[in-house]
Amino acid sequence: EDQVTQSPEALRLQEGESSSLNCSYTVSGLRGLFWYRQDPGKGPEFLFTLYSAGEEKEKERLKATLTKKESFLHITAPKPEDSATYLCAVQAGFQKLVFGTGTRLLVSP
Amino acid sequence: DAGVIQSPRHEVTEMGQEVTLRCKPISGHDYLFWYRQTMMRGLELLIYFNNNVPIDDSGMPEDRFSAKMPNASFSTLKIQPSEPRDSAVYFCASRSTGTSGDNEQFFGPGTRLTVL
Repeated sequence: EDQVTQSPEALRLQEGESSSLNCSYTVSGLRGLFWYRQDPGKGPEFLFTLYSAGEEKEKERLKATLTKKESFLHITAPKPEDSATYLCAVQAGFQKLVFGTGTRLLVSP
Repeated sequence: DAGVIQSPRHEVTEMGQEVTLRCKPISGHDYLFWYRQTMMRGLELLIYFNNNVPIDDSGMPEDRFSAKMPNASFSTLKIQPSEPRDSAVYFCASRSTGTSGDNEQFFGPGTRLTVL
C-alpha cells in the first residue's frame, strides 16, 4: 500500500532558525513527489514537484530534495510568514496523489 | 483567472439530510479531483474526473457519496443521507494536462461540512 509519513507533526522555530521537515514514502512506482503549503482555512498551495532521486528545487527560503526513500524540505532563516502546514504527497497511480498528514510549522519573531 | 471556486464555504446540517457541494474548476483544466480532509486521516482523494468522465472513485467511502460532472465547468459531490462522521473539509482541485512540467493540482478554498 502506498504510504507517506511526515515528521515532525509540529515544529516551532525562532525567526532565522533553519531546520528541515521530513517526508518518508513507500510507493510502487514513484511518478512524482509534491510539496504543498496550507494556511489555516485555505486550500493547499503548490510549492514543488520532484521526480527523481538527487533532484533539488528551491524557492525563496525553501529547498526540497529527494532520495529513493524520502524527501526533505529545508527552511533557511525562516520568517513568521513561513508559518503554515506543509504537506507532502506522492503520485502513485496515473493521477492519484497520496498525502501525508503534514507538519505544522510555527515561526516566532 | 479566479481559481477553483467552491460553494458553499460552510455547511451545517443535521444527520440524515442531503448535502450537495459544488465546484467550478479553472477554465481549460481537464482533470477535476474531490478530496476530504480530517485531522485523523489528513487529505484523502475521493474521486477524480478526466474530461468530465469519472476515472477513479475507489476513495468514495460508501454508496451515500456520489459525484457528477455534467460539463467542463461544474461538478457536484452529494452525500445522502449525511452522518456525523462525514464532518470534514471537502476540497475540489483541478489541473491541466501538459501545460506544466510540475503536474500540480490547484485547490479550491474548501467547504467545511458539519453534520450534527
